[in-house]
Amino acid sequence: GENVEQHPSTLSVQEGDSAVIKCTYSDSASNYFPWYKQELGKRPQLIIDIRSNVGEKKDQRIAVTLNKTAKHFSLHITETQPEDSAVYFCAASDQRAGNQFYFGTGTSLTVIP
Amino acid sequence: EPEVTQTPSHQVTQMGQEVILRCVPISNHLYFYWYRQILGQKVEFLVSFYNNEISEKSEIFDDQFSVERPDGSNFTLKIRSTKLEDSAMYFCASSIGEMGEQFFGPGTRLTVL
Repeated sequence: GENVEQHPSTLSVQEGDSAVIKCTYSDSASNYFPWYKQELGKRPQLIIDIRSNVGEKKDQRIAVTLNKTAKHFSLHITETQPEDSAVYFCAASDQRAGNQFYFGTGTSLTVIP
Repeated sequence: EPEVTQTPSHQVTQMGQEVILRCVPISNHLYFYWYRQILGQKVEFLVSFYNNEISEKSEIFDDQFSVERPDGSNFTLKIRSTKLEDSAMYFCASSIGEMGEQFFGPGTRLTVL
């Protein structure tokens, strides 16, 4: 089955700096890659996703890049703010019947004011 | 904005007891999921459910687990005889279709003593 690895497990950045979180996956059939943000005590919420037919997607300060050949995808947050502090999870899915998401282990991001 | 809800937020039970975790998916969603997260580990897929039957289940979802949609709104996960290792956060999720974003509930923290 699919195996998703995520790095780093913790990340601290100064406010205004950029943060990058990287994930790799093992199953070349995976074609959908969502990123979820989970603030302390709250539910995971989708912040951005990408499908395998595109290499990059951007939404304001957040971008995701995908390299299908290398089987890795990354989350980029620019101009970080304290409210970006949270745990971020990457996931992969091949969108078959059942639509199982395979998650990474999460990255705890702290933005220092 | 509609949200997935889960009850209870925290459940404490004795080993060997049965527990039922409840979820109310978003009303127009057709696909439902259960995931769990043992403390410090990945979010793991348990089961997906569509049209009143299981679409896919993981190796974790053994005979001790069952799911049900008893009425038009609730989606439940039953663990028949809880073990210590069942202690985890259990997340319910739902999606409109079998592809794309899954919306997560806030989770139920299950503690088995």
